Amino acid sequence: ETGVTQTPRHLVMGMTNKKSLKCEQHLGHNAMYWYKQSAKKPLELMFVYSLEERVENNSVPSRFSPECPNSSHLFLHLHTLQPEDSALYLCASSQDLGSPEPQHFGDGTRLSIL
Amino acid sequence: GESVGLHLPTLSVQEGDNSIINCAYSNSASDYFIWYKQESGKGPQFIIDIRSNMDKRQGQRVTVLLNKTVKHLSLQIAATQPGDSAVYFCALSGGYNKLIFGAGTRLAVHP
Repeated sequence: ETGVTQTPRHLVMGMTNKKSLKCEQHLGHNAMYWYKQSAKKPLELMFVYSLEERVENNSVPSRFSPECPNSSHLFLHLHTLQPEDSALYLCASSQDLGSPEPQHFGDGTRLSIL
Repeated sequence: GESVGLHLPTLSVQEGDNSIINCAYSNSASDYFIWYKQESGKGPQFIIDIRSNMDKRQGQRVTVLLNKTVKHLSLQIAATQPGDSAVYFCALSGGYNKLIFGAGTRLAVHP
């Protein structure tokens, strides 16, 4: 039991579609993160939320739109994506942002853009 | 800015041998370091972490060594097992709880 659940596990979409990725954490954490993992590249931090407020937006294109309705849920809304956006999208959570501590990851959504 | 490098992209070891995975970093201000294991089809799983006021920390079959002088971090796995086959990532703190990840080392364990 990872404590962080991501759905769907796999998603194939066309460039004109709109879809959303969902993340839910059952750990009582206050901080949540979206990462992009592409082949042979380090994990790239996309967004950071703390207590439902966006803390960081790492120069992510506007075709990615995050939403954090409460501290347990995080969404990533997708529209008009490009083929280079195909990747594994990972959600993570941690207790707080204040002091360094492990982030707990979900198993990701494998996204393929046609 | 910070960067995290891996010494080897792939490491092959025999079952039962010890494995050592290395990481170099550039930011001397980093005060927190962490190792993750990622198996195929899964997300990164926390293995062990260490703060900059320590130079060694041990877990179950794993040891992390931190050499701040040369900005080097290593993960040692004792008596490597087939279940240890995975990609291993080092990461370091880049401010509040922002983690900067290395590219990963694939560990292959052969019987």
